[in-house]
Amino acid sequence: QKEVEQDPGPLSVPEGAIVSLNCTYSNSAFQYFMWYRQYSRKGPELLMYTYSSGNKEDGRFTAQVDKSSKYISLFIRDSQPSDSATYLCAMVENNLFFGTGTRLTVIP
Amino acid sequence: SQTIHQWPATLVQPVGSPLSLECTVEGTSNPNLYWYRQAAGRGLQLLFYSVGIGQISSEVPQNLSASRPQDRQFILSSKKLLLSDSGFYLCAWSVGAIETQYFGPGTRLLVL
Repeated sequence: QKEVEQDPGPLSVPEGAIVSLNCTYSNSAFQYFMWYRQYSRKGPELLMYTYSSGNKEDGRFTAQVDKSSKYISLFIRDSQPSDSATYLCAMVENNLFFGTGTRLTVIP
Repeated sequence: SQTIHQWPATLVQPVGSPLSLECTVEGTSNPNLYWYRQAAGRGLQLLFYSVGIGQISSEVPQNLSASRPQDRQFILSSKKLLLSDSGFYLCAWSVGAIETQYFGPGTRLLVL
């Protein structure tokens, strides 16, 4: 069993939709949680990171962590075609553990 | 501001040939440096990390090696490439807290 599970998608939504991206994990020692966005043939860029359970908002993006359920989410409001990318969740325990990524396409 | 460079961007190499990928970071001192490989559908795999000059930790035993000859330079090498070495190689850096890692543009390696 992988330490971090992420639905690979692909996920296609119309422009303006609310997108929900999710990861589950098995290691209760994970302390920090991150979301990266990766455009095709580019390196991942850090979108958000959070430490505690609860919500963290940054513009159209909201990161949610539920440590009791070992579940994290990234919500994208008013999705735009420029949000089309692969989204990777990542978690820290000494090193960074990544999910496999979810490919998102926002259709104009 | 900090920037991270990787080259080459794309590389096609025959099986059995050597490899040298370079990564440099600008705008910061004494960064932690990382090499990852990303294969389709398998996420990011940490290969090596370094907390200082000459200090290399290997996460996955294989025919690759890493070196850090200067504070902001990280090199990934192989003496003889295998077909299975094909992939997207990413260099990353962080300072202090490990959770905030920043990635370079990557090198796409195809071994034929």
